[in-house]
Amino acid sequence: DGGITQSPKYLFRKEGQNVTLSCEQNLNHDAMYWYRQDPGQGLRLIYYSQIVNDFQKGDIAEGYSVSREKKESFPLTVTSAQKNPTAFYLCASKPGGYGYTFGSGTRLTVV
Amino acid sequence: GENVEQHPSTLSVQEGDSAVIKCTYSDSASNYFPWYKQELGKRPQLIIDIRSNVGEKKDQRIAVTLNKTAKHFSLHITETQPEDSAVYFCAASLGGTSYGKLTFGQGTILTVHP
Repeated sequence: DGGITQSPKYLFRKEGQNVTLSCEQNLNHDAMYWYRQDPGQGLRLIYYSQIVNDFQKGDIAEGYSVSREKKESFPLTVTSAQKNPTAFYLCASKPGGYGYTFGSGTRLTVV
Repeated sequence: GENVEQHPSTLSVQEGDSAVIKCTYSDSASNYFPWYKQELGKRPQLIIDIRSNVGEKKDQRIAVTLNKTAKHFSLHITETQPEDSAVYFCAASLGGTSYGKLTFGQGTILTVHP
């Protein structure tokens, strides 16, 4: 998927469960991002990382956690503290210049 | 932080008409302004972008204009076609480094009627 792969495509979470969304890129990009999109709304930034072993909170970080142990990987964990996790999650990466590459997204549903 | 406002939220035009979507941004440090088209359930697709060192950029039926003083940029689609129907997002970012992060507008649902 254009060098950035998100999995799974669909994910179902039971109440109280933690789930992890995968994001892998082979573009050698330094920066990676997680966005959340609710129906009919824009993309809101959850977390971002500009370098390995470092990451920052975005606008809606509560109830989420991330890690950046490898340049290629930026997994997002949706914890039980996130009360309304049903949404479309998009991962993106960016080189040192301009232009962002998006993954194909993960649709998370609470059941 | 950066704040991007986008208008209108919905836009309905007849095939062949022009469509204009407008955005304003708050952070004068932003220097990269992409526009994305998103179809239902898909990832955003970059359709055109502009950097702060130019005032206008065209790509066939699509153009973007930027007014840095007013912190305002617009997307212009001419000779619209039904396949242009989608959600369009503007965004602003600090580009040229690894430190930028995209801030999106709320989106515009464009419907082109045959």
